[in-house]
Amino acid sequence: GAGVSQSPSNKVTEKGKDVELRCDPISGHTALYWYRQRLGQGLEFLIYFQGNSAPDKSGLPSDRFSAERTGESVSTLTIQRTQQEDSAVYLCASSPGGDRTPGEQYFGPGTRLTVT
Amino acid sequence: GESVGLHLPTLSVQEGDNSIINCAYSNSASDYFIWYKQESGKGPQFIIDIRSNMDKRQGQRVTVLLNKTVKHLSLQIAATQPGDSAVYFCAENIAGPTGRRALTFGSGTRLQVQP
Repeated sequence: GAGVSQSPSNKVTEKGKDVELRCDPISGHTALYWYRQRLGQGLEFLIYFQGNSAPDKSGLPSDRFSAERTGESVSTLTIQRTQQEDSAVYLCASSPGGDRTPGEQYFGPGTRLTVT
Repeated sequence: GESVGLHLPTLSVQEGDNSIINCAYSNSASDYFIWYKQESGKGPQFIIDIRSNMDKRQGQRVTVLLNKTVKHLSLQIAATQPGDSAVYFCAENIAGPTGRRALTFGSGTRLQVQP
């Protein structure tokens, strides 16, 4: 079946511009996560959506970062006034949600963002 | 804040040997641990998980060991194959007031399998 998809796969933008990254989770998955991965490093949690609960935004590094999710489907991560330190791979993951196998997150291929 | 870390950044093994990847965690409240495999250019892939009420769990060619006394987690891969070459991440999880929080990942260990 279809996995998690993300678009675009690559994005090059100029410093100061806004970017929007998209994630399509697996159908029926109520939980959705955004992570950032800098080159050669681990995954840094950004934001977490679970059903209709208020999202956990505790990982967002600044107010330039925001994310939305439409119901239990598509999510968009927006970065305003991009900076060079925003350059990274942005990964989206989804899971069935709740307390069932919370670690069994299914990751998309990521969006590689380069800020010049 | 507390975080998950790894002892060895790179591990090189011969094909057919067993591999052991180690991880230390610092959040004593974490009660769920996961290992992920990430191949170049791809997102992480779930390998195996373990809850804190267990100290060992086996999968296909993989075993995860949890030592809560010293806050240590390890992933053992039996008969390592070239396809096992990847970066391996451990991650921890904790229940929050509204349900499970997101995972906290370590920085990763690169496993290189020599033919």
